[in-house]
Amino acid sequence: DTGVSQNPRHKITKRGQNVTFRCDPISEHNRLYWYRQTLGQGPEFLTYFQNEAQLEKSRLLSDRFSAERPKGSFSTLEIQRTEQGDSAMYLCASSLYGVYEQYFGPGTRLTVT
Amino acid sequence: KNEVEQSPQNLTAQEGEFITINCSYSVGISALHWLQQHPGGGIVSLFMLSSGKKKHGRLIATINIQEKHSSLHITASHPRDSAVYICAVNSNTGNQFYFGTGTSLTVIP
Repeated sequence: DTGVSQNPRHKITKRGQNVTFRCDPISEHNRLYWYRQTLGQGPEFLTYFQNEAQLEKSRLLSDRFSAERPKGSFSTLEIQRTEQGDSAMYLCASSLYGVYEQYFGPGTRLTVT
Repeated sequence: KNEVEQSPQNLTAQEGEFITINCSYSVGISALHWLQQHPGGGIVSLFMLSSGKKKHGRLIATINIQEKHSSLHITASHPRDSAVYICAVNSNTGNQFYFGTGTSLTVIP
């Protein structure tokens, strides 16, 4: 098991472009979480999945953000019409249902110019 | 309003010093986590606890559920302990995680 992986690790994009990030959780984990972290702050919850079902979404997740986990394995987070305020580290984590410990990926750092 | 507050925000210590980082929370929880984040973003889980005390090497974490407070202690601190330490809680009313803003620790040789 190689842990949680995220791709790409870094993404630079121009304002207005769409971006998509991928997260591959630990294989037997059925919960997957997305967080956003800006400089000097702790992570903020965005959304989470149990298997393929998206069970909770934060109010931070505007209409420009969409997340999917089509087969209950990997997940994608898409940001449409990016804005400079979207620049942040996007973190993915996974856990086993009923076990609270989360395992974090290395994150994708997004810079919107 | 932050559901999780940490103090101090920044901490500089001499190698060998005993370090304490504090965390207070305002929501009902099912578990509390201490996380370590190194430059570059990687987050590692140090402890998950719901009562009492846990020890791992030079790290000790305690929690007082009645007072809604937890502490992370580092004994005999070392420059490699330099990182951001984040307190996070599982809310017991849903599956949300709430994070503190972190404590940036620098240990000077």
